[in-house]
Amino acid sequence: AQKITQTQPGMFVQEKEAVTLDCTYDTSDPSYGLFWYKQPSSGEMIFLIYQGSYDQQNATEGRYSLNFQKARKSANLVISASQLGDSAMYFCAMREGGSYIPTFGRGTSLIVHP
Amino acid sequence: DGGITQSPKYLFRKEGQNVTLSCEQNLNHDAMYWYRQDPGQGLRLIYYSQIVNDFQKGDIAEGYSVSREKKESFPLTVTSAQKNPTAFYLCASSPLTSGYSRGAYNEQFFGPGTRLTVL
Repeated sequence: AQKITQTQPGMFVQEKEAVTLDCTYDTSDPSYGLFWYKQPSSGEMIFLIYQGSYDQQNATEGRYSLNFQKARKSANLVISASQLGDSAMYFCAMREGGSYIPTFGRGTSLIVHP
Repeated sequence: DGGITQSPKYLFRKEGQNVTLSCEQNLNHDAMYWYRQDPGQGLRLIYYSQIVNDFQKGDIAEGYSVSREKKESFPLTVTSAQKNPTAFYLCASSPLTSGYSRGAYNEQFFGPGTRLTVL
């Protein structure tokens, strides 16, 4: 069974609008961390944001925020005020308990239109 | 500024050849990883290492080999036993304990990748 599910293979958004990229996860471990990475066409994976399972507040990093709904096991990435440079693949990942190895979703391709 | 380097950026392999992909980091990270990325499949773990001279197989280790003789280096060899090696290969590293200003969440830092094509 997939531990990380990203159901949107592709998303389109107008420049300056907000966009939400979906991520659901599956774990029985009460301690886990959730990550989002961006992969531009150059190929390098860039860390964006982290949410711990015990964090009381949703994580934010600049224009990125994580809509963490623990009961629904979802960790959606919200990008506010989209920019053309946000066009990329976005990957959600989860690391459980004592493991230091994350599991990645299949990614969502985001295209920002001018 | 610290980071991860991978070389070469593009690599072409003939049938039956072994090729080695280089990965070097100067972040003083203990853990290093190799991933394979195919279109539409996300990242799949090939090998990982927590400490020098020790490494473990990931989900798709068949046809690959690694070594970890130095903390900074984790080369990946794609052997002739790997029947479908054409893919994008990413190397990553991470700290194993929090406290670093970078890597505060023990997140992975990735290199720029190597694109391997079989001729």
